Amino acid sequence: DVVMTQSPLSLSVTLGQPASISCRSSYSLVHTDGYIYFNWFLQRPGQSPRRLIYKVSNRDSGVPDRFSGSGSGTDFTLKISRVEAEDVGIYYCMQGTHWPYTFGQGTKLEIK
Amino acid sequence: EVQLVESGGGLVQPGRSLRLSCAASGFIFDDYAMHWVRQAPGKGLEWVLGISWNSNSVIYADSVKGRFTITRDNAKNSLYLQMNSLTAEDTALYYCVKSKDLECLLADFDYWGHGSLVSVSS
Repeated sequence: DVVMTQSPLSLSVTLGQPASISCRSSYSLVHTDGYIYFNWFLQRPGQSPRRLIYKVSNRDSGVPDRFSGSGSGTDFTLKISRVEAEDVGIYYCMQGTHWPYTFGQGTKLEIK
Repeated sequence: EVQLVESGGGLVQPGRSLRLSCAASGFIFDDYAMHWVRQAPGKGLEWVLGISWNSNSVIYADSVKGRFTITRDNAKNSLYLQMNSLTAEDTALYYCVKSKDLECLLADFDYWGHGSLVSVSS
């Protein structure tokens, strides 16, 4: 199975400051169709996960442009340019290239 | 608006069975693969099963293989999860998840339901 390793596992950020979360996969996530099926999800307290980023760097509809995704192959990063209160929750990376599909352990973001 | 509404969860004894349902609306159900993802209390996310648009392909995580079955009824816009031989380790919130692709041999999850809680305990 492809192991997804996130870091850090917790993050305390001052409002308006940037934040960054890394995710590393144990195997290349390039699919045979040439795409990389790598996503970032945010799970707010008491809610189901919501996708923020798909195929590494594409923002979902309605996701603020302060969120950005980057990476290739095995190393990926989610950046928040200026953290807002509504960004609190647990961020998960996920690979959908190789089944069984796997998630990172989650990174808990809180406001300092 | 895409909606995925799970039902059927509850408290069940170890070794017993339970069937979850997911009612889908707001999109053309038989154009997309569907999946179940679970989350144990206070834990992370675990993908467990997926099914292609036409039910020809079904894939399972090793943790549920031989015990859980995923099916769909495109005429009813519904997804199902039959869970047999349940153990305490199956206690979790089970999410119905839509993929953007027809097939389940890749996972491009875009919409999640709110989940149905399954608790396995004597």
